[in-house]
Amino acid sequence: DAGVTQSPTHLIKTRGQQVTLRCSPKSGHDTVSWYQQALGQGPQFIFQYYEEEERQRGNFPDRFSGHQFPNYSSELNVNALLLGDSALYLCASSLAGQISYEQYFGPGTRLTVT
Amino acid sequence: SQKIEQNSEALNIQEGKTATLTCNYTNYSPAYLQWYRQDPGRGPVFLLLIRENEKEKRKERLKVTFDTTLKQSLFHITASQPADSATYLCALDIGGSYIPTFGRGTSLIVHP
Repeated sequence: DAGVTQSPTHLIKTRGQQVTLRCSPKSGHDTVSWYQQALGQGPQFIFQYYEEEERQRGNFPDRFSGHQFPNYSSELNVNALLLGDSALYLCASSLAGQISYEQYFGPGTRLTVT
Repeated sequence: SQKIEQNSEALNIQEGKTATLTCNYTNYSPAYLQWYRQDPGRGPVFLLLIRENEKEKRKERLKVTFDTTLKQSLFHITASQPADSATYLCALDIGGSYIPTFGRGTSLIVHP
């Protein structure tokens, strides 16, 4: 049973560029959440996708957008990259309606903006 | 606004001792609180969830308490091992959103 997978593992981009990160949820999960984790900080919620729609959004600008596909996989897009966007981007999957609210996290994508 | 406070200083303990980590929060009473473990460069791993109407939860060597009056959760690892060395994050539900809000985590170092 494959867990949550993310690609790529590492990425280096230049200020102003755009980036797309990908996530495949754990088998059987239908909900995907994205988090940004700066060094020494806890993960910060970006948004959550369910049934191919953005269900909730954290305090992130519109430069951050996403998509969920019919197979539940998801993409995170960031436009006009800033130096401050350098972070570990985590994808977490869960099953809607579960009472444990347990999320399974992927290994993350380390984004460096220069 | 809601604040989640975890000790930013690393906790150093000897193998075999009980490690106790603290998570304090302000302003709001969450419906649940979670604890995660995170190793360097990896995603967090869910450990335990405790609900607002539960005082204590156990899982093997782990124990979590939740005091909604003190607005505090304690996370205990008994008979600690060097393999328990990691950062431990607490996360709680804000405003019934079912989206956990994370603290910055506390680093635990278990010395052999």
